Amino acid sequence: AQSVTQLDSQVPVFEEAPVELRCNYSSSVSVYLFWYVQYPNQGLQLLLKYLSGSTLVKGINGFEAEFNKSQTSFHLRKPSVHISDTAEYFCAVSDAGGYNKLIFGAGTRLAVHP
Amino acid sequence: DAGVTQSPTHLIKTRGQQVTLRCSPISGHKSVSWYQQVLGQGPQFIFQYYEKEERGRGNFPDRFSARQFPNYSSELNVNALLLGDSALYLCASSLSRATGELFFGEGSRLTVL
Repeated sequence: AQSVTQLDSQVPVFEEAPVELRCNYSSSVSVYLFWYVQYPNQGLQLLLKYLSGSTLVKGINGFEAEFNKSQTSFHLRKPSVHISDTAEYFCAVSDAGGYNKLIFGAGTRLAVHP
Repeated sequence: DAGVTQSPTHLIKTRGQQVTLRCSPISGHKSVSWYQQVLGQGPQFIFQYYEKEERGRGNFPDRFSARQFPNYSSELNVNALLLGDSALYLCASSLSRATGELFFGEGSRLTVL
């Protein structure tokens, strides 16, 4: 069975500072990895995805993530955050080539302060 | 182009009642998935439908059922509601069964009293 652990439930950070949101996963098969963002009272929006190829993945809004197979990690980073980045961030995993069944982590609340 | 649309956006039910939630996928998308998001937690997979057939089911009781129609829209039904069914129910669509990229609607928030 697959699982996702988001190591921080909350991450406070000042505006224009860098941020890293940590995600570890476990799986016995090859995986696809995703980061989604959820703003208050909204659905989820895809930030970026890793399917294959380069382990450094760039997404929307200046976010990027690096797939590390040996450490089974997929940490999300942004070099300089804005107030508008305040939201809940979810890491998710699915079987590579399987059906679209995503296993989500519990989420990390990113709070950007002025 | 319209995104994934869900209805109703909010509803209140009492224990023991039944509820039907509806979802219209993005035009051209043939796969619809349902997720339950309890407050403060990540979404949990309930069902996936592709080409009108159930392709996956999460760890939910038989009180939960779903179907996909010829136009690829979908309904999620929950019978004999419990307080613990209170959650945001999210529908997601994708082009095919295994692209890995899901497009989510804004959800239906169900409150069970």
